[in-house]
Amino acid sequence: DIQMTQSPSTLSASVGDRVTITCRASQSIGYWLAWYQQKPGKAPKLLIYEASSLESGVPSRFSGSGSGTDFTLTISGLQPDDFASYYCQQYKSWWTFGQGTKVEIK
Amino acid sequence: EVQLLESGGDLVQPGRPLRLSCAASGFTFTSYAISWVRQAPGKGLEWVSAISGSGGTTYYADSVKGRFTISRDNSENTVYLQMNSLRAEDTAVYYCAKMPGPFIGVAGTGWFDPWGQGTLVTVSS
Repeated sequence: DIQMTQSPSTLSASVGDRVTITCRASQSIGYWLAWYQQKPGKAPKLLIYEASSLESGVPSRFSGSGSGTDFTLTISGLQPDDFASYYCQQYKSWWTFGQGTKVEIK
Repeated sequence: EVQLLESGGDLVQPGRPLRLSCAASGFTFTSYAISWVRQAPGKGLEWVSAISGSGGTTYYADSVKGRFTISRDNSENTVYLQMNSLRAEDTAVYYCAKMPGPFIGVAGTGWFDPWGQGTLVTVSS
């Protein structure tokens, strides 16, 4: 099975900061990676698919990059609505998620 | 508007069965695979099961294989998750989610969008 490891687990940041979350796969997954945002008590929301494709309606401050085993989600100019948990997910072989990164207010 | 609505979550004793439903609307149902994903309280996301658009292909996580069965009624636009021999570790919010196309089991066919609001399953005596 492909394991996904996110870092950090928690990130403290301020409004306006540039934030980067890293996701590493235990083996190469090509571009088959998605990123989700989840707020407390709500369902996850798709942000990015195929590693760097922005889902329709998602603000352009969100961007994804990477291929193979190393991926990043970047939020350029953190907004109050962005404080949430973020998950990566591979879909090269079955479907597995990273353990999540909580972005909290500094 | 694409919508998924889960139902059926409940408090159930260990070893007992439960069936969840996922009612879909706003898209051509048979053209899309559907997955179930769960989240234990305070924990991360775990994929549980997936079914192709036709219903002819199904997959399960090792943690539920042999105990859970996914199915779909394409005349009712509904996907079901029959959960048998429930355990305390099955306690979670269960979400259904639409996948990008009708096929599963092929690399690249598997992000989840959108998700339903979730239904809570609590397994406890």
